[in-house]
Amino acid sequence: NAGVTQTPKFQVLKTGQSMTLQCAQDMNHEYMSWYRQDPGMGLRLIHYSVGAGITDQGEVPNGYNVSRSTTEDFPLRLLSAAPSQTSVYFCASSHDSGTGELFFGEGSRLTVL
Amino acid sequence: AQKVTQAQTEISVVEKEDVTLDCVYETRDTTYYLFWYKQPPSGELVFLIRRNSFDEQNEISGRYSWNFQKSTSSFNFTITASQVVDSAVYFCALSDTGNQFYFGTGTSLTVIP
Repeated sequence: NAGVTQTPKFQVLKTGQSMTLQCAQDMNHEYMSWYRQDPGMGLRLIHYSVGAGITDQGEVPNGYNVSRSTTEDFPLRLLSAAPSQTSVYFCASSHDSGTGELFFGEGSRLTVL
Repeated sequence: AQKVTQAQTEISVVEKEDVTLDCVYETRDTTYYLFWYKQPPSGELVFLIRRNSFDEQNEISGRYSWNFQKSTSSFNFTITASQVVDSAVYFCALSDTGNQFYFGTGTSLTVIP
């Protein structure tokens, strides 16, 4: 069972570079979301989607873009990376819109120099 | 605004002791959902429980139990007879009808053998 798959697991960027964190799920979940985890801050919602073609902002959306062209995929784009975006990123999906159990990917550790 | 507070940043207990992790939440919605997740040292996020706002029954699952009290806006988690494998960061979370999840800052539990 693949569940939620995130790639890459580790990435080092220089300030100003762009990159995309990939997220794919094979559970046919309509709801997908991205979080960042920083020490002492818990998990904070960046963007979420309730279905293909629909995205919305969470608590900390600045500096990140998302799109949802298929049910399975929900990539997170950093257009111009900044050191403040150094974090661990988690993708999660849910079968019950925004109220059900979240299934998380293994996380992606991003360092911006 | 929705908010989840986990005032206990770090807790250490000796193996076989009982330990309670506190969670206090704020929301204006009458319909909402509460969750607990475990993050062991390996870093993945593991779902433990989901409870909706209309179900105040306490729940027990093995050594784990949860106490939901709407009167005090609390959803506390107790581990009975703690074990070394319980060492992890535990997150309490809230979701509302707005499709967003709000996580607390987490409680790091260390069980000393």
